[in-house]
This record gives sequence, C-alpha cells and structure tokens, in this order.
Amino acid sequence: DAGVIQSPRHEVTEMGQEVTLRCKPISGHNSLFWYRQTMMRGLELLIYFNNNVPIDDSGMPEDRFSAKMPNASFSTLKIQPSEPRDSAVYFCASSLGTAGETQYFGPGTRLLVL
Amino acid sequence: GNSVTQMEGPVTLSEEAFLTINCTYTATGYPSLFWYVQYPGEGLQLLLKATKADDKGSNKGFEATYRKETTSFHLEKGSVQVSDSAVYFCALSVKGGSYIPTFGRGTSLIVHP
Repeated sequence: DAGVIQSPRHEVTEMGQEVTLRCKPISGHNSLFWYRQTMMRGLELLIYFNNNVPIDDSGMPEDRFSAKMPNASFSTLKIQPSEPRDSAVYFCASSLGTAGETQYFGPGTRLLVL
Repeated sequence: GNSVTQMEGPVTLSEEAFLTINCTYTATGYPSLFWYVQYPGEGLQLLLKATKADDKGSNKGFEATYRKETTSFHLEKGSVQVSDSAVYFCALSVKGGSYIPTFGRGTSLIVHP
C-alpha cells in the first residue's frame, strides 16, 4: 500500500486566499483525522471522520476552516480566507477506527501564509 | 478526560548512551498506549504499542512497559544512535470511547556522535 497520501506537500499563499489540502487514506481504513502541528501549540486534532461522517470537529479553529469527506478514499481541508497564523504543517492520518489500532500519518502539507 | 504528560525536551545524549523518556497518563477507561516517532520533515509513525497492563512493546531496540499501577509508559533504549534523533510522542486511546487518540506534547531527542 502507498500509505496515506497528501497533496500538496508545500503551499505558499497570500493572506485572504483560499487553500485546499487533500488527503487519500489507506484503503480499508474507516477513520480519518486532520491534525495541525506548530512549534507553539504542538499537535492539535482538528477533525475526526468515521465512515465518512464527521464525528468530532471541536478542534476546528473557526468558521474559516471546513473539512469534507465525500467518500472513503478522499478528504479535503479548506481554509477560506487564509491568515498568516494558519501557517503550520497539516497532517492527515487514517486508521481502522478501534482504540488499539495504529494511526498512519501522511507526510504532511507545509502551509505558509504570507 | 484523557491526558498524556511527557517530559520536556530537548533530551541531548551522546551516542551509545541510555535513553529514558517518561510518559504518564490519565484515562477514563482502559487505554491502549502508543509511542510514535517523527523524523525531521516527516509525519508521525508508530514505534511501538501495548494494549493491556504489563505488556511490553518493543521495536528497533526501543521498549516500553504498560504500568497500570503507576499509569506510566516510559520509553527506553539501551544504546542510542545518531539516527534516533527525532521527536517522540506518547499517546493513548480508550476502548469503548470515540477512539480519538490523545497525544503528549512530544519530546525532542538529539543524539551527538
């Protein structure tokens, strides 16, 4: 298996622009997670999907952030409008969705908002 | 709620030194425990895990024992290498819950030749 695939790997944009991050989970995994990682705040869970349904989005910072999972093999995280404080590494992870199961992380998208 | 506490880093060691990174947890329920490692520029990857008390997880010379009585899951390695330089995350997830894992803040390890 190719593992969790994220695109783009790097994104540089200007404040106010829309940013869309993409994730393809491992085939057969039914849970998908979006995380944000910064030096100041560490690793933060943004949203969790189970069987394509958002279960917990309490970590989504504000209305500028939205996430979708239209099918089992694709998810997007959108920021509109983007702000400099959104600069971070965004990770997607997938798992089989039980407590003892390993999370598999993608390589991350490094976002810089100027 | 659930929480994971890791020792502050960075931990700086010379090659072949003994490593311990402390991890303690609180959980509402019976957790599975994990150590993940993040190498520079990469995502997190599983290093080892334990799913019940007294289990020992091990991989690549690292090991950790699930201690329910002290609610701990300390990571150890007998002889570190420069290639072990990375950030290490302790994590838990609770059976019967939402399966959302809880991560510690991460501990940076720097190994000098």
